[in-house]
Amino acid sequence: DGGITQSPKYLFRKEGQNVTLSCEQNLNHDAMYWYRQDPGQGLRLIYYSQIVNDFQKGDIAEGYSVSREKKESFPLTVTSAQKNPTAFYLCASTLAGELSFGPGTRLTVL
Amino acid sequence: RKEVEQDPGPFNVPEGATVAFNCTYSNSASQSFFWYRQDCRKEPKLLMSVYSSGNEDGRFTAQLNRASQYISLLIRDSKLSDSATYLCVVNMLNNNDMRFGAGTRLTVKP
Repeated sequence: DGGITQSPKYLFRKEGQNVTLSCEQNLNHDAMYWYRQDPGQGLRLIYYSQIVNDFQKGDIAEGYSVSREKKESFPLTVTSAQKNPTAFYLCASTLAGELSFGPGTRLTVL
Repeated sequence: RKEVEQDPGPFNVPEGATVAFNCTYSNSASQSFFWYRQDCRKEPKLLMSVYSSGNEDGRFTAQLNRASQYISLLIRDSKLSDSATYLCVVNMLNNNDMRFGAGTRLTVKP
């Protein structure tokens, strides 16, 4: 079955540690995205990538980094510079404008 | 002005009611528009794309007003299962820069 996988579903980290969230898709989609969602709020764009080895900052890129070495993979690193990293992180991909989402990772920084 | 804005909600309606949501966008060059549904603590799922001529899918009707730069979603004969958050999405520059509204929460009550 084609889809997007994100792991882990729940992640706990100590303050000051970097953490990498994984996102893999087997849909052969070119564009991939990372969004952050805080309770009761909409999705805010962190980074997106239209092709391999290329990515653009979204509205809230500070404190995050990404890489796109393979078409299938778009990992997100939450660095210690991110002031308030506890949130629900959603990865998505698209081929013709319609976004497909992974199940998300809930990150809690203690 | 935010790039994509939605009615704040929440909307609390009885079963069988008709309810409408609006979403305004800032970039007049945007060409692609979508409505997504998000259930509590889940990833968003595509509800429908919004076409220039308007489109209908069962009880759901989506419309685009380019002159006033807004899209709308109409839900007729509301069901309990329609309770969710509805998110509008705009492809801002038609380059896969996909931005979300903050979402409108709908609760349908018996």
